Amino acid sequence: GENVEQHPSTLSVQEGDSAVIKCTYSDSASNYFPWYKQELGKGPQLIIDIRSNVGEKKDQRIAVTLNKTAKHFSLHITETQPEDSAVYFCAATLGGGADGLTFGKGTHLIIQP
Amino acid sequence: DAGVIQSPRHEVTEMGQEVTLRCKPISGHNSLFWYRQTMMRGLELLIYFNNNVPIDDSGMPEDRFSAKMPNASFSTLKIQPSEPRDSAVYFCASSFVREQPQHFGDGTRLSIL
Repeated sequence: GENVEQHPSTLSVQEGDSAVIKCTYSDSASNYFPWYKQELGKGPQLIIDIRSNVGEKKDQRIAVTLNKTAKHFSLHITETQPEDSAVYFCAATLGGGADGLTFGKGTHLIIQP
Repeated sequence: DAGVIQSPRHEVTEMGQEVTLRCKPISGHNSLFWYRQTMMRGLELLIYFNNNVPIDDSGMPEDRFSAKMPNASFSTLKIQPSEPRDSAVYFCASSFVREQPQHFGDGTRLSIL
């Protein structure tokens, strides 16, 4: 089955700086890669996703890149703000999101004021 | 729009008791997923349904766990008998098959004493 590795487990950055979280996956057939943000006591909330036919996707301060050859994808957050502090999860799956997701272990992002 | 609704939000019960978790997916969604989140294992898929039919239950830990989806608006996850190691946060998510990402509820925090 699919295996997703996520690094780092904790990331502390100064407010206004950029943050990068990296994930690798094992199944070359995976074709859908979402990123979720989880705040305390809440469920994961989708922040951006990318499909295997695209190399990069941006949404305001958030971007995701995908390297299918190397089987890794990354989340980039620019101009970080205090409200970006949360746990971020990457995931991978076949079936474009209609199949179960395999999640990374999460990154606790801390934005220092 | 109403999101995925889970009940109860918190459940505390004694070992050996039956536990039933409930989920109402987003209206119009036809895929439903149950996940479990623990510190040790992270977020892991338990089972998912497409059009009310169970597709993959390979993540269900053992026979004490069962899930049903009697109609497009409701699903249950049942544990009988419950054990302390079942303590976790259980999430339900839904999506529109192969078109849209998965949207999560805020989970049920289950504590088995």
